Amino acid sequence: GEDVEQSLFLSVREGDSSVINCTYTDSSSTYLYWYKQEPGAGLQLLTYIFSNMDMKQDQRLTVLLNKKDKHLSLRIADTQTGDSAIYFCAESRASGGSYIPTFGRGTSLIVHP
Amino acid sequence: DSGVTQTPKHLITATGQRVTLRCSPRSGDLSVYWYQQSLDQGLQFLIQYYNGEERAKGNILERFSAQQFPDLHSELNLSSLELGDSALYFCASSPGQGHMNTEAFFGQGTRLTVV
Repeated sequence: GEDVEQSLFLSVREGDSSVINCTYTDSSSTYLYWYKQEPGAGLQLLTYIFSNMDMKQDQRLTVLLNKKDKHLSLRIADTQTGDSAIYFCAESRASGGSYIPTFGRGTSLIVHP
Repeated sequence: DSGVTQTPKHLITATGQRVTLRCSPRSGDLSVYWYQQSLDQGLQFLIQYYNGEERAKGNILERFSAQQFPDLHSELNLSSLELGDSALYFCASSPGQGHMNTEAFFGQGTRLTVV
C-alpha cells in the first residue's frame, strides 16, 4: 500500500461534513475504492468509482476523482458518531495477470459529539 | 457478516515458533488474498491464490508460505516468528481471479502476538 497515500487522522464534529483525501500512483487503475474498517472488524467496501467518472454520489457519500492529479476523495455529509472508523482508499493494481486490491494506510475518522 | 471466516481470532506465541492461520472464503469465491496489517506498514498485500494456484505475490517474507486446498480454504504458515511479525492478518476472497473491478470480502482477521 505504500503508493496509495492518505492522511492518517481526521477529526470532525458531529453534523459536519468529513472529507478524506487519497492520492494514488497507478494511472492505469480503472477502479478506485473506499473501504471502511470498524473497530475489531475486517474491511468492508463502501463505494467505488470507475475511472471515466468524475463524481459518484451514494446517499451521504460523495466520491470525487481527479484522474489528472490521481486524487480521490470521499465526502461524508452530516457525519455521525457511528461513522467513526478507519477509511481505506484502494486501487486495483495489475500484478502478474491478476488485479490486486492495493490499499493506502487508512485514515482514522474521529467524530466528536 | 462478510461470509469469510478466519481462525483463530487471537494467537499468542513465542519467537522462533511456527503458526498456521486458516481462512474459509465466501461460498463460491475462488480467490483468496492474504494481507498483513500493522501500525507502521498499513495494509500490505502478501499473496493471492486462485482455485488452488498461486496467482500473485506481494511483500511476503520467505519465512511465510500459503496454500489453497481443493475445498478452497486457505492456510497461511508463518515460521521462525519474530517480534515484528506481530500484526493483524486478514484474509479476503473474491469470486474471480482478480479482475479490474474486484470487490474483496474480508474476514475479521487473526491478531497474532509474538512474545
